[in-house]
Amino acid sequence: RKEVEQDPGPFNVPEGATVAFNCTYSNSASQSFFWYRQDCRKEPKLLMSVYSSGNEDGRFTAQLNRASQYISLLIRDSKLSDSATYLCVVKVHYGQNFVFGPGTRLSVLP
Amino acid sequence: DAGVIQSPRHEVTEMGQEVTLRCKPISGHDYLFWYRQTMMRGLELLIYFNNNVPIDDSGMPEDRFSAKMPNASFSTLKIQPSEPRDSAVYFCASSLIRSNTGELFFGEGSRLTVL
Repeated sequence: RKEVEQDPGPFNVPEGATVAFNCTYSNSASQSFFWYRQDCRKEPKLLMSVYSSGNEDGRFTAQLNRASQYISLLIRDSKLSDSATYLCVVKVHYGQNFVFGPGTRLSVLP
Repeated sequence: DAGVIQSPRHEVTEMGQEVTLRCKPISGHDYLFWYRQTMMRGLELLIYFNNNVPIDDSGMPEDRFSAKMPNASFSTLKIQPSEPRDSAVYFCASSLIRSNTGELFFGEGSRLTVL
């Protein structure tokens, strides 16, 4: 089983739609969680950290369920510019090994 | 401020040749990471350094791969001899752990093709 697994995608949604991505992780010692965004042929960039109580940044909402070892990302009112691959990232509390999921590709269509 | 700088951006080489990828991290960052990305395997951590010291190289595929960080502003990833299965995008990233954001700052990547 992979350490971090994500919905395979791709997700093709119309502008204005709400879309949710799921991620599960296998290492119960994981302590820090993130969503990164990677545009086509570009480098990954941090989208947002994920906190235990859940957090929101504009149209983006991240949730964490430690008991189920599950992370989610919700995008509301999706824009064409949201088209990218979304990577779930997990880090255990020891060391600095950031483990990236395989990513879920999103295409927002006009 | 300049971000993480990698070179070359693109490299095409023949099997058996030596390849050297270079990285300049963001000034002041204390961690440096080398990742490899392929369609099949996604982003894989190869090795990371803390204050120029290699901490975890368990992701380095085999002895053909080596990485060094002679000083805080420079790192290399070397493949010798290269093989077609090494074709991938190699990313360097740096971070400042003291900032506690956990953010990795990636370079634009070096796209390697081994024929």
